[in-house]
Amino acid sequence: KAGVTQTPRYLIKTRGQQVTLSCSPISGHRSVSWYQQTPGQGLQFLFEYFSETQRNKGNFPGRFSGRQFSNSRSEMNVSTLELGDSALYLCASSRTMGGRDYGYTFGSGTRLTVV
Amino acid sequence: KQEVTQIPAALSVPEGENLVLNCSFTDSAIYNLQWFRQDPGKGLTSLLLIQSSQREQTSGRLNASLDKSSGRSTLYIAASQPGDSATYLCAVRPETSGSRLTFGEGTQLTVNP
Repeated sequence: KAGVTQTPRYLIKTRGQQVTLSCSPISGHRSVSWYQQTPGQGLQFLFEYFSETQRNKGNFPGRFSGRQFSNSRSEMNVSTLELGDSALYLCASSRTMGGRDYGYTFGSGTRLTVV
Repeated sequence: KQEVTQIPAALSVPEGENLVLNCSFTDSAIYNLQWFRQDPGKGLTSLLLIQSSQREQTSGRLNASLDKSSGRSTLYIAASQPGDSATYLCAVRPETSGSRLTFGEGTQLTVNP
């Protein structure tokens, strides 16, 4: 069974540019969440999508956006990149069945470096 | 606001020791708690998921307990091995914030051969 796939694994961008990260969830998982991980702030929740709708959003500026497609694949976009956006971006998928949450499976992440 | 604390921040033990990692959370209204491990520069690997109605979960040498009323969880690792060296993170899913997970800062474990 394939896991959560994130592409690309590594990115180097220049300040002011924009970037798009991709996440393919486990087959059958309809919920996709995004997290930012930095040494200083730890893991911070960005947003969650379920059935193409943003269901939850963290405390990040509007430069961070996302979307989900009908096949549950998700993308997140960061515009006008700042040095502080350098981080490991993690995607997680999950499923709920019969009212029970089966927990989260994370991808390997995309390491974004802004120079 | 839910806050999750993990103690200790770092732990170094000789191979073969049994050890306990601690996680505490401030709001007991949680849906479940999940333990993860993270190797340097990698993503998170799920270890154990404990639903709020459960007291513990076991997988191989790992055992996690949950005391929801006191806001505590422990991860017990038996007969530690060098391959267990990693950062261990606990995360809670609160009842009232949808699917948002709140993470602790992690415990960095080093098992010395």
